[in-house]
Amino acid sequence: DAKTTQPPSMDCAEGRAANLPCNHSTISGNEYVYWYRQIHSQGPQYIIHGLKNNETNEMASLIITEDRKSSTLILPHATLRDTAVYYCIVTAGGTSYGKLTFGQGTILTVHP
Amino acid sequence: DSGVTQTPKHLITATGQRVTLRCSPRSGDLSVYWYQQSLDQGLQFLIQYYNGEERAKGNILERFSAQQFPDLHSELNLSSLELGDSALYFCASSVAKSGSTTGELFFGEGSRLTVL
Repeated sequence: DAKTTQPPSMDCAEGRAANLPCNHSTISGNEYVYWYRQIHSQGPQYIIHGLKNNETNEMASLIITEDRKSSTLILPHATLRDTAVYYCIVTAGGTSYGKLTFGQGTILTVHP
Repeated sequence: DSGVTQTPKHLITATGQRVTLRCSPRSGDLSVYWYQQSLDQGLQFLIQYYNGEERAKGNILERFSAQQFPDLHSELNLSSLELGDSALYFCASSVAKSGSTTGELFFGEGSRLTVL
């Protein structure tokens, strides 16, 4: 699976959009970009995933650049409960499915 | 609530001992995954079972073993415990078949193991 690079920490004001970047310059054509988050020491929570098109669900939007070398997770209206560690993971699935490689992630702090 | 249940939530034991962690996947999920989260190693994949069969191994020590039973619950057995085994152990499940391309994992709340 391709390696990902994320900033170690970010801040966001409550009610504003949080934009979390991720670099995955060695991503292969069959690899998906997944985002999970972990609030305090709870179990990781799936947020969204995509291959090459932008994706949106009730939690967030995922913007993947045309060359697929980077992506941005957008939380449109961040709340205090969105304070968590956000992990960007690239995986091909198949025999690797479920064998997620979690890096250090980005610690997002949402402040009032 | 992810629907994945892990017990016990907390466990304190001594070095050299053996413990068993239990996981009940979401109803209908055939795949179970075990992850370890320690302060120095972060979240690491240990092992996967699909419908009772081992499907993939990660960085799992030989002192650790797991199995998935016919009712699909899984147990992770940790033996000859060392101080460094202190960690959060997460179980996850998915509905996707082994070898699927996409799909989310649902994680339990974890079992916190402290080895003294």
